[in-house]
Amino acid sequence: DAGVTQSPTHLIKTRGQHVTLRCSPISGHKSVSWYQQVLGQGPQFIFQYYEKEERGRGNFPDRFSARQFPNYSSELNVNALLLGDSALYLCASSYRLAEYEQYFGPGTRLTVT
Amino acid sequence: AQSVSQHNHHVILSEAASLELGCNYSYGGTVNLFWYVQYPGQHLQLLLKYFSGDPLVKGIKGFEAEFIKSKFSFNLRKPSVQWSDTAEYFCAVNAGTSGTYKYLFGTGTRLKVLA
Repeated sequence: DAGVTQSPTHLIKTRGQHVTLRCSPISGHKSVSWYQQVLGQGPQFIFQYYEKEERGRGNFPDRFSARQFPNYSSELNVNALLLGDSALYLCASSYRLAEYEQYFGPGTRLTVT
Repeated sequence: AQSVSQHNHHVILSEAASLELGCNYSYGGTVNLFWYVQYPGQHLQLLLKYFSGDPLVKGIKGFEAEFIKSKFSFNLRKPSVQWSDTAEYFCAVNAGTSGTYKYLFGTGTRLKVLA
């Protein structure tokens, strides 16, 4: 079985632009979570979706939004990009919520100039 | 505020030495606890997890962790490390109520094992 896949691998954007990151979960997994990881820190939780509904949200501004599609894939959108949004964005999938381990993808490296 | 603390940021050990990495969390309710590892150039992967039951849990590659509820701790241990254990280790907590959850990760511990 394929693992969690994310696209694109790398992305360079300019301040003020908008970006969309994509994630495909492991087949059969119904939950997708998004994380931001800056250098030297642990992943910071952004969102969790389960069955197309938001089920968890971290402390990120409203510029960050996400959605989950009927096939359980997900998009993370970031508007009005700031230099500080430069980071590795990780997607993780799990079978369901809470008492299930998460499987992480390779991440999308976003650089904002 | 909810948080996860890993007190050791960098650890250097010789092969065959014992390892203990500390993890403390701040959350008053029911939690699920995890240790993840990231080997150089690889994805985050699960080492072990605790949901309930025996507070001493065993994971892959000879790692184990003990949940001490009274101390809000979930320390990772390995009796004898190998060069291949060189990696970054993250403690994580999943907590929530009413079907809404948050995941909190610690800042990570970089372990270097000298051959």
